[in-house]
Amino acid sequence: GNSVTQMEGPVTLSEEAFLTINCTYTATGYPSLFWYVQYPGEGLQLLLKATKADDKGSNKGFEATYRKETTSFHLEKGSVQVSDSAVYFCALSRSNDYKLSFGAGTTVTVRA
Amino acid sequence: DTAVSQTPKYLVTQMGNDKSIKCEQNLGHDTMYWYKQDSKKFLKIMFSYNNKELIINETVPNRFSPKSPDKAHLNLHINSLELGDSAVYFCASSQTTGRTSSDTQYFGPGTRLTVL
Repeated sequence: GNSVTQMEGPVTLSEEAFLTINCTYTATGYPSLFWYVQYPGEGLQLLLKATKADDKGSNKGFEATYRKETTSFHLEKGSVQVSDSAVYFCALSRSNDYKLSFGAGTTVTVRA
Repeated sequence: DTAVSQTPKYLVTQMGNDKSIKCEQNLGHDTMYWYKQDSKKFLKIMFSYNNKELIINETVPNRFSPKSPDKAHLNLHINSLELGDSAVYFCASSQTTGRTSSDTQYFGPGTRLTVL
């Protein structure tokens, strides 16, 4: 079946630090890959996605590249802000799945 | 305008009670979902509905009964609540039928259920 493995948190950083959250997946076929973000007390929002190998998703300074050879979709941001403090979820979906399969989530705290 | 809304936002109740959570989306989407987020933030699909028809029931106890009166609404009724049902429940919707893997799902704000 489908599965997503994320690096465990929590992660605590200083403002302007580099952030990377590792994500690897197991799935047959060609899944689409997503990063969702959950700010405190809110629902999930799509941060970025990639639908095929070598695609790069980007949004709000975050980037992730779909690497089929390493089955990975690592999230990066070059300079984080306090407002980036949130829980980040890696997820995948395959055609006809009718669902997202999520990783365990990584809590990121950015300190001023 | 809120795209996906849920009511109530908080729900505190006693074991054994029956409760409902309502979800509405104004995005014109065909597919709606319920997810459960446990205390460790882990998210798991419970149900998927497409055009008011149940597509996925992911080994959820039959105390949980989703109902979709129309494409814009997907409600969740829970009978005989147990302590382990305490969680945050998220409703979501997506544009297409779900056959395309790239669908973006839009999530509601969540309903925090506490069973005492």
